[in-house]
Amino acid sequence: SQTIHQWPATLVQPVGSPLSLECTVEGTSNPNLYWYRQAAGRGLQLLFYSVGIGQISSEVPQNLSASRPQDRQFILSSKKLLLSDSGFYLCACPLTGSGELFFGEGSRLTVL
Amino acid sequence: KQEVTQIPAALSVPEGENLVLNCSFTDSAIYNLQWFRQDPGKGLTSLLLIQSSQREQTSGRLNASLDKSSGRSTLYIAASQPGDSATYLCAVSLPGTNAGKSTFGDGTTLTVKP
Repeated sequence: SQTIHQWPATLVQPVGSPLSLECTVEGTSNPNLYWYRQAAGRGLQLLFYSVGIGQISSEVPQNLSASRPQDRQFILSSKKLLLSDSGFYLCACPLTGSGELFFGEGSRLTVL
Repeated sequence: KQEVTQIPAALSVPEGENLVLNCSFTDSAIYNLQWFRQDPGKGLTSLLLIQSSQREQTSGRLNASLDKSSGRSTLYIAASQPGDSATYLCAVSLPGTNAGKSTFGDGTTLTVKP
């Protein structure tokens, strides 16, 4: 079965600093990959998804960007963080066929 | 636009009690519905997946039902244990869309008291 790794697990960054969160997937090839954000006590909001290398779709306008440099690598970035970028960022990958969604352990970002 | 609502937002029960968590969605033309568990500060763990053609799924003490026509799903937990304490989220995806593009509810936070 597939395994999703995310790092860093926790990050505290000042406003205006850059960001890079990484997600890698094992146990599958050519996966669809997703970045979700979870605000405190809330459900998840889809930010970006990718169906292949170099292919990125954005779901909401924001200060963030995503890239897919390799088949099983998905990166979430920002050039200048805002306070509102704070949250819990989760990478997800569905199983081919069933569509069952699996998540990484998440990266908690605090912008001060 | 699909909207998912989970009621109640929080639930506290004594150990051993059977309980039901509710999930409703506005667009009944779903591809699948999935229930997740989330422990504090952790990612989501998949509990049960119900395809649109199915009515229910069972795993151990968990049973999830789906009624597409009414836009509802329930997660039944039998003989609750303190280890079941967590936040439970449901998510639905629509047919014809990218399989991982799910809409999530805000979750029900369950506390099982010893």
